[in-house]
Amino acid sequence: DAGVIQSPRHEVTEMGQEVTLRCKPISGHDYLFWYRQTMMRGLELLIYFNNNVPIDDSGMPEDRFSAKMPNASFSTLKIQPSEPRDSAVYFCASSDRGIDEKLFFGSGTQLSVL
Amino acid sequence: EDQVTQSPEALRLQEGESSSLNCSYTVSGLRGLFWYRQDPGKGPEFLFTLYSAGEEKEKERLKATLTKKESFLHITAPKPEDSATYLCAVRSNTGGFKTIFGAGTRLFVKA
Repeated sequence: DAGVIQSPRHEVTEMGQEVTLRCKPISGHDYLFWYRQTMMRGLELLIYFNNNVPIDDSGMPEDRFSAKMPNASFSTLKIQPSEPRDSAVYFCASSDRGIDEKLFFGSGTQLSVL
Repeated sequence: EDQVTQSPEALRLQEGESSSLNCSYTVSGLRGLFWYRQDPGKGPEFLFTLYSAGEEKEKERLKATLTKKESFLHITAPKPEDSATYLCAVRSNTGGFKTIFGAGTRLFVKA
């Protein structure tokens, strides 16, 4: 398996623009997570899905952020409008609650909002 | 609220100099404590899951241990390739599959 696939790898945009980050989880995994990582705040959980249904979105910063999972093989995280403070690395992870209940992370999207 | 605190923030070791990383946690009923390794520019990579106090797991030069309030990641005779950020995470038995991460310990091993 190719692992969790995220795109784009890097995104540079201007304040006020819409940003869409994409994730393809590992096939067969029924949990999908979106995390944000910054030096100041570390790795923060934004939202997670189980069987395509959002379970906990308490980490979503504000209404500018939205996440969807239209099917088992695709999820998006959208920021509209983007702000400089949204600059961070955004990670997607998936899991099948296997023996170690571990998360498999993608390589992340480095977002820079100018 | 579930919380994870890791110390030290950064650790510099000479090759072969053993040491330990600490992870203190507060959780309303522990379902699992996790250790991950993160290399620059990459996503975290799973190392261990510990479920109950007294449990230990080993992998090459790494050994993870768990008590009711903290976990330690012991690194024996480290090599430069062990240089990375080590992240601790917890999952409570009342929070579903929600996984909360600590800020990490950046480990530098010099040859």
